[in-house]
Amino acid sequence: QQQVKQSPQSLIVQKGGISIINCAYENTAFDYFPWYQQFPGKGPALLIAIRPDVSEKKEGRFTISFNKSAKQFSLHIMDSQPGDSATYFCAAFSLGYQKVTFGIGTKLQVIP
Amino acid sequence: GAVVSQHPSWVICKSGTSVKIECRSLDFQATTMFWYRQFPKQSLMLMATSNEGSKATYEQGVEKDKFLINHASLTLSTLTVTSAHPEDSSFYICSAIPPGYGYTFGSGTRLTVV
Repeated sequence: QQQVKQSPQSLIVQKGGISIINCAYENTAFDYFPWYQQFPGKGPALLIAIRPDVSEKKEGRFTISFNKSAKQFSLHIMDSQPGDSATYFCAAFSLGYQKVTFGIGTKLQVIP
Repeated sequence: GAVVSQHPSWVICKSGTSVKIECRSLDFQATTMFWYRQFPKQSLMLMATSNEGSKATYEQGVEKDKFLINHASLTLSTLTVTSAHPEDSSFYICSAIPPGYGYTFGSGTRLTVV
């Protein structure tokens, strides 16, 4: 059972455009929602994270939008750059349970 | 910031031999660490939860005797792939939860069994 559904699986965006990746979760016990960026041959790196008591969090060009009632959250990358080309994973985490459930990943390619 | 250090970053071994991968927490103590496996173009699959001073908790379908986990100190967990075979070739990643930093991953180990 896939507890965190991520879409799309691949995304091509022109430089300067907005990249949007969506995730939906099922388990209402999740209380921490991070996004990870992974380059080939490297471990995932935490990009930005949100807790369910806020609807939006912005860090530089990266924004998480969170809709608790719909059990959905999304990552927006503004002014996308070729250096943003990577695989992005959404995740959901229960702080008490300490296990992370990952989405399937989105391979983003930003073309010049 | 808190760092999870993983070593080696890549290893090639012969079929039938064993390989040890180390995961260290730098500047913080980790009573719990996690080991993941990632196949090409796929998401991360949790293999086991490593608990300092006690037995690891393995996920369903993961062979305990194949993937030995030892967490003998608060800063070191090791994963040993025993009697490795080509199908064990994969990208292995550890993680920990530094206080105040959220879920943090090591840089990963690319294992190739020939």
